[in-house]
Amino acid sequence: AQRVTQPEKLLSVFKGAPVELKCNYSYSGSPELFWYVQYSRQRLQLLLRHISRESIKGFTADLNKGETSFHLKKPFAQEEDSAMYYCALSAPNYQLIWGAGTKLIIKP
Amino acid sequence: DVKVTQSSRYLVKRTGEKVFLECVQDMDHENMFWYRQDPGLGLRLIYFSYDVKMKEKGDIPEGYSVSREKKERFSLILESASTNQTSMYLCASRTGTSSYNEQFFGPGTRLTVL
Repeated sequence: AQRVTQPEKLLSVFKGAPVELKCNYSYSGSPELFWYVQYSRQRLQLLLRHISRESIKGFTADLNKGETSFHLKKPFAQEEDSAMYYCALSAPNYQLIWGAGTKLIIKP
Repeated sequence: DVKVTQSSRYLVKRTGEKVFLECVQDMDHENMFWYRQDPGLGLRLIYFSYDVKMKEKGDIPEGYSVSREKKERFSLILESASTNQTSMYLCASRTGTSSYNEQFFGPGTRLTVL
């Protein structure tokens, strides 16, 4: 069965420290993976998708098929990165399977 | 700029009431979705629609129904609200059928059922 696991409900790091938000998936085919972000009092929005191989707001995510992971990373955290982050996997019926989310808090 | 709007930001209803949540998008998107967002559970798909008058059940359709009479509007109906339906409800829209395409979300409706 398809599944997305975000093992950390809460991650707290100091400003300037590296950030890694973990995402593991279970999928038998070739996965399409995404990171969505929800800042406080804002709507949920797409941050990045693995197929684009892009860096958005300093964040990158690499698909590791061997470890079935799609961790989100940023070398130097900023206070404005504090938000709720969701990892999502596309399902065969063209819908998204969502992880439970990780709340990221950047301490000053 | 894609705009997805939801009729209410906050709603308080009583057990047994019929509840209507409305969602409107202005970008002519074919696909529309209703999710529940609960802490520790992430987003769970209730229903989605890929065209006018078309609907498909998601993962948790029990206790809900939907209506899509016009392309821009997707309504979620709680036939008889119960306390376990207290949640944040998110509407989203997307162009085309490819899951690669971005889903655009509304601001959410926080529903409390007393």
